[in-house]
Amino acid sequence: GDSVTQMEGPVTLSEEAFLTINCTYTATGYPSLFWYVQYPGEGLQLLLKATKADDKGSNKGFEATYRKETTSFHLEKGSVQVSDSAVYFCAMDTGRRALTFGSGTRLQVQP
Amino acid sequence: SAVISQKPSRDICQRGTSLTIQCQVDSQVTMMFWYRQQPGQSLTLIATANQGSEATYESGFVIDKFPISRPNLTFSTLTVSNMSPEDSSIYLCSIQGGGETQYFGPGTRLLVL
Repeated sequence: GDSVTQMEGPVTLSEEAFLTINCTYTATGYPSLFWYVQYPGEGLQLLLKATKADDKGSNKGFEATYRKETTSFHLEKGSVQVSDSAVYFCAMDTGRRALTFGSGTRLQVQP
Repeated sequence: SAVISQKPSRDICQRGTSLTIQCQVDSQVTMMFWYRQQPGQSLTLIATANQGSEATYESGFVIDKFPISRPNLTFSTLTVSNMSPEDSSIYLCSIQGGGETQYFGPGTRLLVL
């Protein structure tokens, strides 16, 4: 069945380090892909998205490229800040409009 | 993007009781979704609610336990019935906005004792 797999957390980085959070998906067809972020004590917010192969979503210095050949949508940021500490969820929409989420990856950035 | 509100924001309930969660959207939407986020877990879809029809439940969720109402295009309720401690979760409603993006309400944090 359809599923999203994310790397296990927590991921602990020092400020200004490079971030990669891996996300791969299994789906029939070509889903739309999303990254959502949940800051401590807050609701779920859309971070970025890509709706077709080779699209790159970007926002707040974060980027992810839709790779059909590897069924991946890895999240990257060149220089993380303490304020980026949050839980990051990879998700997809296979056309049924509801989202399938990965397990979430907690990022902790230390000063 | 739409503004989505939920009531209550949090509650502490006794086992065996029921709680109704309200979701209000500031614009008309066809489809609304209810998700559950158990402690430390990801989000799991409970059901899809279309106005004027029965909600469609995902595997593992049943109408008797999670009855849903959708009386109009801006409002929905989810009831968590006959609660047990395993129902302690954050319950979120969401809508689909433009560009296939889903927007989420702030969530209802439920603790069952």
